[in-house]
Amino acid sequence: DIQMTQSPTSLSASVGDRVTITCRASLSIRGHMTWYQQKPGKAPTVLIYGASTLQSGVPSRFSGSGSETEFTLTISDLQPEDFATYSCQQTYSTPWTFGQGTKVEIK
Amino acid sequence: QVQLVQSGAEVKKPGASVKISCKASGFTFNTHYLHWVRQAPGQGLEWLGVINPSRGGTTYEQRYQGRITMTLDTSTSTFYMELSSLTSEDTAMYFCARRIAADGTKYLDYWGQGTVVTVSS
Repeated sequence: DIQMTQSPTSLSASVGDRVTITCRASLSIRGHMTWYQQKPGKAPTVLIYGASTLQSGVPSRFSGSGSETEFTLTISDLQPEDFATYSCQQTYSTPWTFGQGTKVEIK
Repeated sequence: QVQLVQSGAEVKKPGASVKISCKASGFTFNTHYLHWVRQAPGQGLEWLGVINPSRGGTTYEQRYQGRITMTLDTSTSTFYMELSSLTSEDTAMYFCARRIAADGTKYLDYWGQGTVVTVSS
C-alpha cells in the first residue's frame, strides 16, 4: 500500500496569511493527488484534483503543485471560511489512501 | 443535480452487523464507481473499498476482507455497504462517494452526507 504522510497535523494562522500543507507519498503516484477540505460533521469537498487542477467553483486562492512523491496545497490570502481540516488522497492505486489531515485554526 | 443520500444513524452492539445504504440520483447509475470511506471520531479519513456498478466487481481494503461487503441494487440506484463482527473501533461516520475520471486522473467528486455508526454494549 502507498502511505501518505501529511504535514503539519495542525497550524494556526491569521486571516490574510499564506498557508502551505505538504503530502509525501511512499511511492511515486505521478500526478494522481486530490486535496479535500472538510468542516466538522460534514463530508469532504474537493479542492484540487490531478495535483494541480482546481475543482469547478473553488476559489482561486487555493492551488496545488507537485508530482511523483511530493505535493503541496497552498492557500493564499486565508479567509474566515477556510478554517477547516485539509486532507490529501492518492488515487494512483488501490487502496486510495489518505493523509492524516491538517487542521487549520485561527491564530 | 447529483445526489448521494445515505441512510440514518445506527447503534449496534459488539459482534453485530450494520448495513448502510447510499441512494444515487442525478447521474447515470452504472457509469461511476462508488467508493466507501469512514472517519472515526477525531481521526483522519480511511478508504474502505470500491464497487464497479456495471459489473458489481469490488475491491476492499485488505484489513476488512471477510468482514465487509459492498453491493448494489440497480432497480433503485442504491449502493450498500455491510460491515460485520462490529467492535468499538468501527464507531465512525461512514461516507459513500462517487468516482469521476477527468483530465487523465480519477477522484471522488460527490459525497453522501455521512452515516454515523456507534458500536456500544
